[in-house]
Amino acid sequence: AQSVSQHNHHVILSEAASLELGCNYSYGGTVNLFWYVQYPGQHLQLLLKYFSGDPLVKGIKGFEAEFIKSKFSFNLRKPSVQWSDTAEYFCAVKGWNRDDKIIFGKGTRLHILP
Amino acid sequence: GAVVSQHPSWVICKSGTSVKIECRSLDFQATTMFWYRQFPKQSLMLMATSNEGSKATYEQGVEKDKFLINHASLTLSTLTVTSAHPEDSSFYICSARASYRNEQFFGPGTRLTVL
Repeated sequence: AQSVSQHNHHVILSEAASLELGCNYSYGGTVNLFWYVQYPGQHLQLLLKYFSGDPLVKGIKGFEAEFIKSKFSFNLRKPSVQWSDTAEYFCAVKGWNRDDKIIFGKGTRLHILP
Repeated sequence: GAVVSQHPSWVICKSGTSVKIECRSLDFQATTMFWYRQFPKQSLMLMATSNEGSKATYEQGVEKDKFLINHASLTLSTLTVTSAHPEDSSFYICSARASYRNEQFFGPGTRLTVL
């Protein structure tokens, strides 16, 4: 079955700490991978995406993610978080076909202490 | 970037009434729009996919007669929750995909509370 698993439901960090949010997926075939962020009271925004090529993807606001095909993983990282990174983060997977549906993980709520 | 709006952002209604939620792509033409439902602390669950000018395709378990979707133009899709009940209370999010891009853009969501 197609699914996305995010290991942490709620993460609390202090400012300047390093961040890694785990994401594993189950999907037959070639995939596109995404991380979305939802700031409090705002809509989902694309943080970064992997379609092909370099498995280390850099996104906005200093975030990056690494696609490890053998582990079916696409973990999100940031070396030094800021208070403004407080948000909910969703990992998502989609097949290559245009009409394939995006499948979301349950999300990880990140809370950064000032 | 591509902007998707939803109206209203929140709505409270009495049980048994119908509620219409609008989703608009503001600066691009969306050939396909998606409607999601998000329960607290849970993921976005796809309810239906609609292509402009044709009937929506509903996901398994979603009642098409209860959640009416209309995608009459390339910039507007509506979701009508008919005869709403408290269990329909949720956060409804729409998403739009441009004809020229294989990427979805999300609206800000509509919080529905049914009393």
